[in-house]
Amino acid sequence: SQTIHQWPATLVQPVGSPLSLECTVEGTSNPNLYWYRQAAGRGLQLLFYSVGIGQISSEVPQNLSASRPQDRQFILSSKKLLLSDSGFYLCAWSDLGETSNYGYTFGSGTRLTVV
Amino acid sequence: AQSVSQHNHHVILSEAASLELGCNYSYGGTVNLFWYVQYPGQHLQLLLKYFSGDPLVKGIKGFEAEFIKSKFSFNLRKPSVQWSDTAEYFCALRNTGRRALTFGSGTRLQVQP
Repeated sequence: SQTIHQWPATLVQPVGSPLSLECTVEGTSNPNLYWYRQAAGRGLQLLFYSVGIGQISSEVPQNLSASRPQDRQFILSSKKLLLSDSGFYLCAWSDLGETSNYGYTFGSGTRLTVV
Repeated sequence: AQSVSQHNHHVILSEAASLELGCNYSYGGTVNLFWYVQYPGQHLQLLLKYFSGDPLVKGIKGFEAEFIKSKFSFNLRKPSVQWSDTAEYFCALRNTGRRALTFGSGTRLQVQP
C-alpha cells in the first residue's frame, strides 16, 4: 500500500536560518507531489507541485523553494527563514494513472515556528 | 483563475441536528470536486468526490454532497451529526487542465453532545 512520510513533525528555527523539510512516498511510482501551507482560517495554500524528477511548478512568489531529486522524494527549502514562514506545511501525493481517483493522500505535516 | 469559497467558517450544532456546509466555486469548465475532513490531531482525508454522472455523491460516515452546476455549488450534507463529526471540513476543486487541487478556507464544525 502507498504511504507518505513527512518529517520533522515540529521545528523551531531562528530567523535567517536555513530550512529543509522532507517528504517521501512509498508504494507508488511517478507520483505527483505537492507542498501546501495550512493557515488557520485560510485553508490550504498550494506552494509547489511536481509531476516528475526535477520538474517543479511554483504557485506563489515566496521565500521558499522546492526540489525533487528522486522520483518519490520532495524537499521544501529556504536559504534564510522569515518570521512569516511560520505555519503548518503539508506534503501530499496523487496518482494520475487510469485507475486514479485524482484525490490526494496527505502527510502528517510539519509545524514550523520561526523565532 | 479558479477559486473555492466556504462561507461558513465555524458551525456549532447539537448531536442529531442536520448539517449542510456550503461550497461554491468559480470556474467555467469541467471540474472535479472534493470534500476533505481533518479530525483533531489527524491527517486530512478524503470524504467524498464528484467526477461525473449522478450529481448526488455519497461518501463515508453518512455524508453526501450534491453538485449543482447551475449554482456552481457542491454542498456537504449529513442528516444527523454525531459528536465524532467534530472536525474541519475543506472543499476542493480540480479543473481538467490542472493537476493541483484548489482548496477552500475550511469550515470548523463543532458538535456538542
